[in-house]
Amino acid sequence: SAVISQKPSRDICQRGTSLTIQCQVDSQVTMMFWYRQQPGQSLTLIATANQGSEATYESGFVIDKFPISRPNLTFSTLTVSNMSPEDSSIYLCSVRGTGELFFGEGSRLTVL
Amino acid sequence: AQKVTQAQTEISVVEKEDVTLDCVYETRDTTYYLFWYKQPPSGELVFLIRRNSFDEQNEISGRYSWNFQKSTSSFNFTITASQVVDSAVYFCALSAEYRDDKIIFGKGTRLHILP
Repeated sequence: SAVISQKPSRDICQRGTSLTIQCQVDSQVTMMFWYRQQPGQSLTLIATANQGSEATYESGFVIDKFPISRPNLTFSTLTVSNMSPEDSSIYLCSVRGTGELFFGEGSRLTVL
Repeated sequence: AQKVTQAQTEISVVEKEDVTLDCVYETRDTTYYLFWYKQPPSGELVFLIRRNSFDEQNEISGRYSWNFQKSTSSFNFTITASQVVDSAVYFCALSAEYRDDKIIFGKGTRLHILP
């Protein structure tokens, strides 16, 4: 199993600002995944972060809006840029174990 | 492309009834993994099961059971003798076999167990 810590756990942000979410894993992992869960919705994959290369974004998500860093094998950040109320969501960092996905506790963002 | 369909958006049953949550998937991969996760009202995601596409045996874990049928691309989840604590959103998910491949989630089924 993996222990994943995310910061912040929650935040209230103003429209037009940007916020960076940090994700720390207690073991080295090749891939880290960033998901978004909008209120009452499922988990949608934003991007896959591989250490040493640019993140791979899913359809509908772009690097300018959600820049990701992956400086080493245990850490990643996701920035939500130029936020609007539609970005109010839970953002989840995750890694795969032997098969299943382990999740952080999530970062609940509310954009006013 | 991979896709997971959970046609049941919301289900309500009375406590002690059995309930089956449906999951249909699409993939071009010959080997893949299927998953079920539970998300109770507290919000955390709880891993329930992983099934490799080579293993079509049904699985039972206490009151939970899973029916995997490759012929119909389905991986259904049954709760027997449901309890109020089973109330949650349940997600079916799919990934390719590779260890670091992404996992795609269905839209989820919200299950209400009524006392």
